[in-house]
Amino acid sequence: AQSVTQLGSHVSVSEGALVLLRCNYSSSVPPYLFWYVQYPNQGLQLLLKYTTGATLVKGINGFEAEFKKSETSFHLTKPSAHMSDAAEYFCAVSRYGTASKLTFGTGTRLQVTL
Amino acid sequence: DAGVIQSPRHEVTEMGQEVTLRCKPISGHNSLFWYRQTMMRGLELLIYFNNNVPIDDSGMPEDRFSAKMPNASFSTLKIQPSEPRDSAVYFCASSQGTGGEQYFGPGTRLTVT
Repeated sequence: AQSVTQLGSHVSVSEGALVLLRCNYSSSVPPYLFWYVQYPNQGLQLLLKYTTGATLVKGINGFEAEFKKSETSFHLTKPSAHMSDAAEYFCAVSRYGTASKLTFGTGTRLQVTL
Repeated sequence: DAGVIQSPRHEVTEMGQEVTLRCKPISGHNSLFWYRQTMMRGLELLIYFNNNVPIDDSGMPEDRFSAKMPNASFSTLKIQPSEPRDSAVYFCASSQGTGGEQYFGPGTRLTVT
């Protein structure tokens, strides 16, 4: 079975500060890992994904995440927060070869203050 | 290209009524997923289809819920009879291939009074 744990249901940062959203996963097989963002009253949008290869993955809007197998982590970072980054962020894991079924974390709401 | 299309965007109905939610996946995608999102339970996978065949419906809460995918371009999620606890946002998503990312629709906000 696969699972995802997102530490911190709410994170608040100042505009211009580093954004760090934590995600740890559990998987018995090599995982595919994803970060999605959800803006108010919208569906989820893919930020970035890790499948194989380079462990540092760059996504849209300046976000990136690093796959660390030894730590079973896939934390999301952005060097400088912008007000428009305020949203809910979901980490997800899938198992290769299973028709893309995703297991989502509980989400982290990011607040950006002036 | 059009993304995943869901209709209606908002639905308000009375307890006991039948509700049908509709989804058109992205053309060429072979997997379709129905999710429910609430404040209390977060994002839950209800059912998913691969090549129009239901693969896993273990997330369907009870027999009042049913889903169909008669062809590659259309799926429905039906609740009969509806109850106030079914109030939620229902998302449809589609993907292509194995291990690929899912593309979400805008959701249907269901309110059952």
